Amino acid sequence: EAQVTQNPRYLITVTGKKLTVTCSQNMNHEYMSWYRQDPGLGLRQIYYSMNVEVTDKGDVPEGYKVSRKEKRNFPLILESPSPNQTSLYFCATHVGSGGTDTQYFGPGTRLTVL
Amino acid sequence: RKEVEQDPGPFNVPEGATVAFNCTYSNSASQSFFWYRQDCRKEPKLLMSVYSSGNEDGRFTAQLNRASQYISLLIRDSKLSDSATYLCVVNGRGSQGNLIFGKGTKLSVKP
Repeated sequence: EAQVTQNPRYLITVTGKKLTVTCSQNMNHEYMSWYRQDPGLGLRQIYYSMNVEVTDKGDVPEGYKVSRKEKRNFPLILESPSPNQTSLYFCATHVGSGGTDTQYFGPGTRLTVL
Repeated sequence: RKEVEQDPGPFNVPEGATVAFNCTYSNSASQSFFWYRQDCRKEPKLLMSVYSSGNEDGRFTAQLNRASQYISLLIRDSKLSDSATYLCVVNGRGSQGNLIFGKGTKLSVKP
């Protein structure tokens, strides 16, 4: 079954404590993205990756890091989380470029930073 | 002008009603257009792509007007299960999977 998995699904943490949200896909897609969704602001892209070792900033990259060492995994790293990073995070994958293909989203990670 | 703009709703309609959602986008160079559906606290899922000639999928019809930079979604014979938030999505400035999402229009179908 085609799948995008994220872990953890829910996380409550404190300011400054480094955390990683994992994302894994089994569809062999080259493209992966991270989004955050906030009330009244919609979905905004944080980072994306076109292939292994190729990543680039999206619209709201500040405070986040990513890595793409393997095709299937695209972890999101918050080195020093702050309360304004409290949000619902989605990982997404798609096979082609230019945003022309269906994006498959993971189930989401609800993060609260106290 | 915001990149992708939608009426946030909510649209409260009875079962069986026809409802239309509109969306405008600012980037005239955009080439790809989609409607995604998002249930409460769940991930967005593709409802349908939007083609220049317009396209239909069962009770759902999508239209694109490039001259006006306008996209629409029509839902006929609404079902309770259509209750969700509908996201208008357009490919962005970049070429690498950069999608711009509207904030969504919330639909609530009542018995």
